[in-house]
Amino acid sequence: NAGVTQTPKFQVLKTGQSMTLQCAQDMNHEYMSWYRQDPGMGLRLIHYSVGAGITDQGEVPNGYNVSRSTTEDFPLRLLSAAPSQTSVYFCASSYGQEGTEAFFGQGTRLTVV
Amino acid sequence: SQQGEEDPQALSIQEGENATMNCSYKTSINNLQWYRQNSGRGLVHLILIRSNEREKHSGRLRVTLDTSKKSSSLLITASRAADTASYFCATDPSGTYSGAGSYQLTFGKGTKLSVIP
Repeated sequence: NAGVTQTPKFQVLKTGQSMTLQCAQDMNHEYMSWYRQDPGMGLRLIHYSVGAGITDQGEVPNGYNVSRSTTEDFPLRLLSAAPSQTSVYFCASSYGQEGTEAFFGQGTRLTVV
Repeated sequence: SQQGEEDPQALSIQEGENATMNCSYKTSINNLQWYRQNSGRGLVHLILIRSNEREKHSGRLRVTLDTSKKSSSLLITASRAADTASYFCATDPSGTYSGAGSYQLTFGKGTKLSVIP
């Protein structure tokens, strides 16, 4: 049982480049989310999805795009990378029931130079 | 904006001692959760307390919730070196999609716990 899998684990981008961070879960969870973690800031919500075809913005959505075509996958796209997007990105999933916890992937450490 | 705020930011104790971390939040919640993060790793769920609960136990963990003060505390008893990690509180807001799960968590900045053998 793999849980939540994120790829890649590390990535270096040049300013202006685009890329997609992959997230897949095998627990048949309805809900999936992307967070970023910056030093001293805790985790902040970027985008989330409550089911296939349904996405919405979180606290810090600018510069990111998401889609959810299947229950299992929730990719995060950086449209034009900026140094301010240097961060550690975490994907999480959860059941669609109140009172259930989120399961997190191991993170993607992204550096934009 | 960050809703939860943990206190203290860092805590260093000897093995065998108890560790207490506090969390404050700002808005109405369905539940409050505590997560642990080992250095360079993902977050692992520890315990969840619902808004209508006041105290919850799980092994060496004890969580309290005071919704009137919008605060929670996490107590780790008889700490071990393996408890060394960062601990985050996360709130699951009320008024979200019906049957809401933990897709819209708001995290605090965390408490970095060091347990010295």
